[in-house]
Amino acid sequence: DARVTQTPRHKVTEMGQEVTMRCQPILGHNTVFWYRQTMMQGLELLAYFRNRAPLDDSGMPKDRFSAEMPDATLATLKIQPSEPRDSAVYFCASGPGLANEQFFGPGTRLTVL
Amino acid sequence: AQSVTQPDIHITVSEGASLELRCNYSYGATPYLFWYVQSPGQGLQLLLKYFSGDTLVQGIKGFEAEFKRSQSSFNLRKPSVHWSDAAEYFCAVGAGNRDDKIIFGKGTRLHILP
Repeated sequence: DARVTQTPRHKVTEMGQEVTMRCQPILGHNTVFWYRQTMMQGLELLAYFRNRAPLDDSGMPKDRFSAEMPDATLATLKIQPSEPRDSAVYFCASGPGLANEQFFGPGTRLTVL
Repeated sequence: AQSVTQPDIHITVSEGASLELRCNYSYGATPYLFWYVQSPGQGLQLLLKYFSGDTLVQGIKGFEAEFKRSQSSFNLRKPSVHWSDAAEYFCAVGAGNRDDKIIFGKGTRLHILP
């Protein structure tokens, strides 16, 4: 049963530290999405890729967030420097196309102290 | 561009009762439509999807949804809910004939009374 995997599942860090979250999309999927979920804002789309190329990262704070796909099996979301307001659950999802269903990973719960 | 609205933020039903969660979309052509469920501490899981054809779609966990073009709706139903159905439910719409990402609604949280 193919699944999206995310690491780490939980991360606690101090303000100012760099945080890197990793995602392994389902083999064969050509689109990858990064979301952030908080109680206040709900589910927010941060960035997405197709065939490893970034299509849109307008949902991300530009000065501190970056998203990349070094290869087809790995997507990364980096925050540098982290701030307490970045505390959230970050989800990665992959899919067979932009307009098709997305398959979500279990999320990374980030706490910035 | 497409958009989706879930009018109910919270819904409470008794265990064993029937359920209907509302979803309205805005899109000029035939959309792709999806329902996802998110249990506490989990990621979103696809319940069902509609691309074309039969407007009544069966999904997992005993859920179904009906696409009604005239009402721009894709409501989710279940004849008898179980306590394990307590979760957040997201409707999503995709532009079927355009190369664009799907858009998620803000979700409806379902509470189950014993």
